[in-house]
Amino acid sequence: NAGVMQNPRHLVRRRGQEARLRCSPMKGHSHVYWYRQLPEEGLKFMVYLQKENIIDESGMPKERFSAEFPKEGPSILRIQQVVRGDSAAYFCASSPEQVNEKLFFGSGTQLSVL
Amino acid sequence: GDSVTQMEGPVTLSEEAFLTINCTYTATGYPSLFWYVQYPGEGLQLLLKATKADDKGSNKGFEATYRKETTSFHLEKGSVQVSDSAVYFCALSNFGNEKLTFGTGTRLTIIP
Repeated sequence: NAGVMQNPRHLVRRRGQEARLRCSPMKGHSHVYWYRQLPEEGLKFMVYLQKENIIDESGMPKERFSAEFPKEGPSILRIQQVVRGDSAAYFCASSPEQVNEKLFFGSGTQLSVL
Repeated sequence: GDSVTQMEGPVTLSEEAFLTINCTYTATGYPSLFWYVQYPGEGLQLLLKATKADDKGSNKGFEATYRKETTSFHLEKGSVQVSDSAVYFCALSNFGNEKLTFGTGTRLTIIP
C-alpha cells in the first residue's frame, strides 16, 4: 500500500527554465496539498486541490506558479521561469477528506535553481 | 498571523537520555496543535496532537501538553532510542481548516 509518492526527489534547473513537480496521492485520497519549505524556515502552505478543482490557493505566489490535480494522473506543481529564490523543498500531502490531522506527506522534492 | 517557534537544532543526545524539544505558538482563537516526525528518506508523519487546552497528546513514548497560559506544546520523551533520530516539526491549525502552520523543524540525533 504505497504512500504519497513525489518525484523527482531532486530537481536541478537553471534560471529561466520550467520546473514540474509531481505528486501521486495515497490510494483512495482525493485531496492534495502542497507545502514549501524555504531554507531555515518552516513548511508554508501553498495550495489545496481536489480532483479537477483548486479549493484554496491563498499561499501560492501570484506569478509563475500553478497547480493542477486532473481527473487522471498525479497532481502537478508547475513553476515557470524559475529564479534562485524558488530553491526549496516542496512537500505534497494527501487526505481522504478535509480533516487536516489525517494528512499523509510525501518525502518531498528538493528544487535547486542554479 | 499564526506562527510557530521551535527550539533550534541540531540536538544530539545519548541513548536513554531525557528529551525536550520546545515549541511555542502565536495564534488567534483556539488552535489545534501537532507534532510531526520525518525519519530519514521518508515523508512527515503525524506523531501526536492535542485539540484543546490541557490536553496531552502521546504516542510511541512521546508526550506533549497543550498549555494555553504559556502558549506552548513542548515535546518530551523519558528515554530516547537510536531509532528516534529524525526531524521533528511542531505545527498548528486554526479554524479547523487545512492550512497547517509549521515550525522550522528540529533535527534530533541519538548516539548509542
